[in-house]
Amino acid sequence: GENVEQHPSTLSVQEGDSAVIKCTYSDSASNYFPWYKQELGKRPQLIIDIRSNVGEKKDQRIAVTLNKTAKHFSLHITETQPEDSAVYFCAASIGWGGGSQGNLIFGKGTKLSVKP
Amino acid sequence: DGGITQSPKYLFRKEGQNVTLSCEQNLNHDAMYWYRQDPGQGLRLIYYSQIVNDFQKGDIAEGYSVSREKKESFPLTVTSAQKNPTAFYLCASSTGGGRGANQPQHFGDGTRLSIL
Repeated sequence: GENVEQHPSTLSVQEGDSAVIKCTYSDSASNYFPWYKQELGKRPQLIIDIRSNVGEKKDQRIAVTLNKTAKHFSLHITETQPEDSAVYFCAASIGWGGGSQGNLIFGKGTKLSVKP
Repeated sequence: DGGITQSPKYLFRKEGQNVTLSCEQNLNHDAMYWYRQDPGQGLRLIYYSQIVNDFQKGDIAEGYSVSREKKESFPLTVTSAQKNPTAFYLCASSTGGGRGANQPQHFGDGTRLSIL
């Protein structure tokens, strides 16, 4: 089955710097890659997602890149702010049909700390 | 205001007791999911349901049971067979994908279960 590895497990940056979190997946059939942000004790919130028919997607200070050949995708946060501090999870799914139920397989998370 | 409501926020279980966690959504979503979150771990899938009166085991279903009698409700029972139930439980829903498609999953605020 699908396996998702996420690195690093912790990341500390200065306010204003960029942060990059990387994930690799094992199943080449995966075609949907969301990223979630989870603040302490709260629900995970979808911040951006990408499908396998595109290589990059941006939303203001957040971008995700996908390399299907290497089977990895990354989250890029520019101009980091203290409110970006949270745990970030990547996930992958091979979609519905052909025996798959579209379930997400999550990485173990990256705790991002942005120091003022 | 549409969303996913989980209750209770905190729950304590005694030895040998079954407890039920509630999850209700008013988003008209077909698919619903239950995840378990442990410190330092990603989200692990317990059960999922694509449609009313149907549900499937996820990766860690042992010691848990669910029902899906109504589209908006997907309660999770943690049975006495689950020997290590202390965790943060998250419910999610999505529109479902149909064949080959994925739609984002939206999460509730979670229930924190502890052993007395």
